[in-house]
Amino acid sequence: DAGVTQSPTHLIKTRGQQVTLRCSPKSGHDTVSWYQQALGQGPQFIFQYYEEEERQRGNFPDRFSGHQFPNYSSELNVNALLLGDSALYLCASSLMGNSGANVLTFGAGSRLTVL
Amino acid sequence: EDQVTQSPEALRLQEGESSSLNCSYTVSGLRGLFWYRQDPGKGPEFLFTLYSAGEEKEKERLKATLTKKESFLHITAPKPEDSATYLCAVQEDHNAGNMLTFGGGTRLMVKP
Repeated sequence: DAGVTQSPTHLIKTRGQQVTLRCSPKSGHDTVSWYQQALGQGPQFIFQYYEEEERQRGNFPDRFSGHQFPNYSSELNVNALLLGDSALYLCASSLMGNSGANVLTFGAGSRLTVL
Repeated sequence: EDQVTQSPEALRLQEGESSSLNCSYTVSGLRGLFWYRQDPGKGPEFLFTLYSAGEEKEKERLKATLTKKESFLHITAPKPEDSATYLCAVQEDHNAGNMLTFGGGTRLMVKP
């Protein structure tokens, strides 16, 4: 049973460019969340997708956008890249609707370097 | 606004030297407190979920406990393979989604 898969694993961009990161959730999960993790820090919530809609959003500018497809996979798009966007981007999947706390399963991440 | 603070930021132990990691949190209502382990270059790996004060959970050399304001991750007789960053996160009860608020993590190094 495959867990959360992310692509690409590493990429290098220059300032002002645009990037698209991809995520396939764990089998049976219907919700995808994206987190940004700067070096030496904890992950920061970007947004969450459920039923192909953005349901929650963290404190990130509109340069960060996303999409969820009918098969539950998701994309994270970042426009007009800044040096400060260099980070590990983590995708996490879960199952919405549980009354209790929902465990998030994380992928290995996409390491973005902006030069 | 939810806040999660972990201490210490870094911890170096000798193999077999037991210790505890701290996670202090502030939320209006707690749905769950999570502990994750993260190895370098990898995503966080789920360890435990705690729901209410007084709850404890164990897994091998790790034991997590929860009070109304903080959680501890106790590591008994650690081994070098326990070296990793340990992340604490909270999920708020009025949160309709599954958003986690993470602390900054504790980087644990266990020397043989």
